[in-house]
Amino acid sequence: DIQMTQSPSSLSASVGDRVTITCRASQGISYHLAWYQQKPGKVPRLLIYAASTLQSGVPSRFSGSGSGTYFTLTISSLQPEDVATYYCQKFNSAPYTFGQGTQLEIK
Amino acid sequence: EVQLVESGGGLVQPGGSLRLSCAVSGFTFSSYWMSWVRQAPGKGLEWVAKIKQDGSEKYYVDSVKGRFTISRDNAKNSLYLQMNSLRAEDTAVYSCARDWVGHCSGNNCYGAHDFWGQGTLVTVSS
Repeated sequence: DIQMTQSPSSLSASVGDRVTITCRASQGISYHLAWYQQKPGKVPRLLIYAASTLQSGVPSRFSGSGSGTYFTLTISSLQPEDVATYYCQKFNSAPYTFGQGTQLEIK
Repeated sequence: EVQLVESGGGLVQPGGSLRLSCAVSGFTFSSYWMSWVRQAPGKGLEWVAKIKQDGSEKYYVDSVKGRFTISRDNAKNSLYLQMNSLRAEDTAVYSCARDWVGHCSGNNCYGAHDFWGQGTLVTVSS
């Protein structure tokens, strides 16, 4: 099965910073990659699908890029409400493996 | 309004069984693949299983194959997860999620889980 590896596992940044989280697939998955945001005690929220398509209602400071085995999630200007754990997920074929998560905090 | 509401969780001894349910409303349930995703306490997300619209295809993560069975009743707008031979490592919040296709390009369709339930806690302990 394809493994998904996120880095870093945790990240601390200041309000207004540009933040980038990476996700690597052990085999190529084309553009079949989704990103989710999960705040403590809440259900995951879909941010991006197809590697770079912003889900309706998601702020434009979030963006995704990549294809094949390397993907990134970027927050262009970090806001206090972005404190959360972020997960990537392959969505081409089962199993729909998630990355291990990146915990984002405000410095 | 789309709603997914899980039930059936609880405390069960190792080796025991439990059946989870997910009641769906606000969309045409029979038109979507559906999945179960779990999250152990303080841990990350783990996809567990998915089922096709008519129940004819089912897929599982290796760790639950042969022990868990996903099923659905489109007449009742409900998704199920029968869990047998439970282990301590199955302890988690189990959530149902809709498999959504955002768009297709040629032969490729791209999607994600766009709606999730709040989950039901399963604790496997003696």
